[in-house]
Amino acid sequence: DIQMTQSPSTLSTSVGDRVTITCRASQSISSWLAWYQQKPGKAPKLLIYKASSLESGVPSRFSGSGSGTEFTLSISSLQPDDFATYYCQQYNRYPWTFGQGTKVEIK
Amino acid sequence: QVQLVQSGAEVKKPGASVKVSCKASGYTFTSYEINWVRQATGQGLEWMGWMNPNSGNTGYAQKFQGRVTFTRNTSRSTAYMELSSLRSDDTAVYYCARDTQLNGMDVWGQGTTVTVSS
Repeated sequence: DIQMTQSPSTLSTSVGDRVTITCRASQSISSWLAWYQQKPGKAPKLLIYKASSLESGVPSRFSGSGSGTEFTLSISSLQPDDFATYYCQQYNRYPWTFGQGTKVEIK
Repeated sequence: QVQLVQSGAEVKKPGASVKVSCKASGYTFTSYEINWVRQATGQGLEWMGWMNPNSGNTGYAQKFQGRVTFTRNTSRSTAYMELSSLRSDDTAVYYCARDTQLNGMDVWGQGTTVTVSS
């Protein structure tokens, strides 16, 4: 199975900050990577697919980059609605696998 | 609008089975695979497997092989996940999600809480 490792596990930050979350795959997944946002008690929401494509309706302050084994999710200027947990997920090869999550919390 | 609506919460005893439904609307049910993902309280997301609603073909994560079964009723645009021999560590929220294959899982059900307790 392809292991996905996110860092950091927790990010304490403030409104207006730029945030970067890293996701590493244990082997190359090309660009078959998605990012999801999840708020407490809610289902995950797709933000980014194919490593850098923005899902329709997602604010442009979210962006993704990377290929192969190293990926990043960036939020250019954190808004109050962005405090949540973020997961990366590879869909290059079954079984699909998720990173362990990064919780973005208020400093 | 495109949505997946899941069945309600379940409480089961250890050793029992549970069957969760996922009803699709707003799109052609047979055009997209359905994935099942679960999440234990305070934990991350765990992928369980996939089903092609058109062919009925399925694929399961090794961890669940032999205990989980995905089925569908195309006339009702509904997918089902049945998990047997339940244990306390199966207590989790179970999600169905539409898999676009190339563009990630873009539509999710609201989740179904399954509690396994004696």
